[in-house]
Amino acid sequence: SQKIEQNSEALNIQEGKTATLTCNYTNYSPAYLQWYRQDPGRGPVFLLLIRENEKEKRKERLKVTFDTTLKQSLFHITASQPADSATYLCALGSSDSNSGYALNFGKGTSLLVTP
Amino acid sequence: GAVVSQHPSRVICKSGTSVKIECRSLDFQATTMFWYRQFPKQSLMLMATSNEGSKATYEQGVEKDKFLINHASLTLSTLTVTSAHPEDSSFYICSARGNWEPLYNEQFFGPGTRLTVL
Repeated sequence: SQKIEQNSEALNIQEGKTATLTCNYTNYSPAYLQWYRQDPGRGPVFLLLIRENEKEKRKERLKVTFDTTLKQSLFHITASQPADSATYLCALGSSDSNSGYALNFGKGTSLLVTP
Repeated sequence: GAVVSQHPSRVICKSGTSVKIECRSLDFQATTMFWYRQFPKQSLMLMATSNEGSKATYEQGVEKDKFLINHASLTLSTLTVTSAHPEDSSFYICSARGNWEPLYNEQFFGPGTRLTVL
């Protein structure tokens, strides 16, 4: 069965350091992968999308890599700040229009950035 | 742009009653909306895909007669939880898919609705 795995344990890092979150998947060939941020009691907020033919995507302090051979995506936040503390969700999507382009989400990794 | 709202944000109801949750795309037209459910410390689980003007497509294990979805316009989808029970208590989140390049595959999420069934 399809599986999306993210670090189950919370990631605690010091302000200013780079946070790296991992998303691994099995039995899946996604056309694209997305990262979302979710704060407690709120809906997810889109951060980045990377397609299967792309290796890396950047947006301000965020960087995402996508290795379809390893079936893994890494999500980096450089110069982290306490305001970056949240849960980060990895989501995989297909290009199958029959699915309505629905997303499958991982459980998310909780990030805590301390001053 | 691309804002999605949900109403209500929080609802408490008695067991056996029905609850309707609205999902609106405020500044764009959404031909496809999705409904998710999220239990504490769990991932978002897709319940159904809602296409404007047609019947919703439900995921395996989701009772279509219990979770009624209506997508009557390009900016509004509703989820009605019929005869709610305590086990239906959860965080319900909708999203709308962008239908313009380059955001064709991006989903814009609503703020969620916390349902508590007593």
